[in-house]
Amino acid sequence: DTGVSQDPRHKITKRGQNVTFRCDPISEHNRLYWYRQTLGQGPEFLTYFQNEAQLEKSRLLSDRFSAERPKGSFSTLEIQRTEQGDSAMYLCASSREQGPGETQYFGPGTRLLVL
Amino acid sequence: SQQGEEDPQALSIQEGENATMNCSYKTSINNLQWYRQNSGRGLVHLILIRSNEREKHSGRLRVTLDTSKKSSSLLITASRAADTASYFCEAGGSEKLVFGKGTKLTVNP
Repeated sequence: DTGVSQDPRHKITKRGQNVTFRCDPISEHNRLYWYRQTLGQGPEFLTYFQNEAQLEKSRLLSDRFSAERPKGSFSTLEIQRTEQGDSAMYLCASSREQGPGETQYFGPGTRLLVL
Repeated sequence: SQQGEEDPQALSIQEGENATMNCSYKTSINNLQWYRQNSGRGLVHLILIRSNEREKHSGRLRVTLDTSKKSSSLLITASRAADTASYFCEAGGSEKLVFGKGTKLTVNP
């Protein structure tokens, strides 16, 4: 257990439905990251926050995806109008703000299946 | 960050044997990290080696870095069934980590 928690751990939904995932980082970490991982691949970066500010978004993050971190603590990732291609593991990670190479601590992930 | 490429893609060994996996990258780096992922779980940070280091140890793990060849290796000595996992390297050290497909290690009891 790294101290990063994610909820839910599993989600099954029908195509076209909206889903929302939550990530609670390690409390003193002001950076929070979202990654997506499909079967047989490594995690792919989606977006990251420093405190409540969203600093970078990947091109993978289409306009159906939105992430927030309203109070600089927990974060939510929402996918609207889900598609079967959204089926993946969504991973959250957090770190301290000490520049490149700072260790990121990953949560257990939320596995999404879109039927 | 850039994508590190792990090799081999899959490795199967017997318990007690050593496991070696390699990572290659393309441009200069500040540091390189190795992560482990058990099936269906999140990633766990194993070790970070800086560009001015050549070798680093942590328990049964030994990491080497050859910046002239742009490569790193991860050695797990006296492997255990619990070491069964995918191992990823991450080369560069920027805010967003970039991973390859990993090496899937199976340690047979």
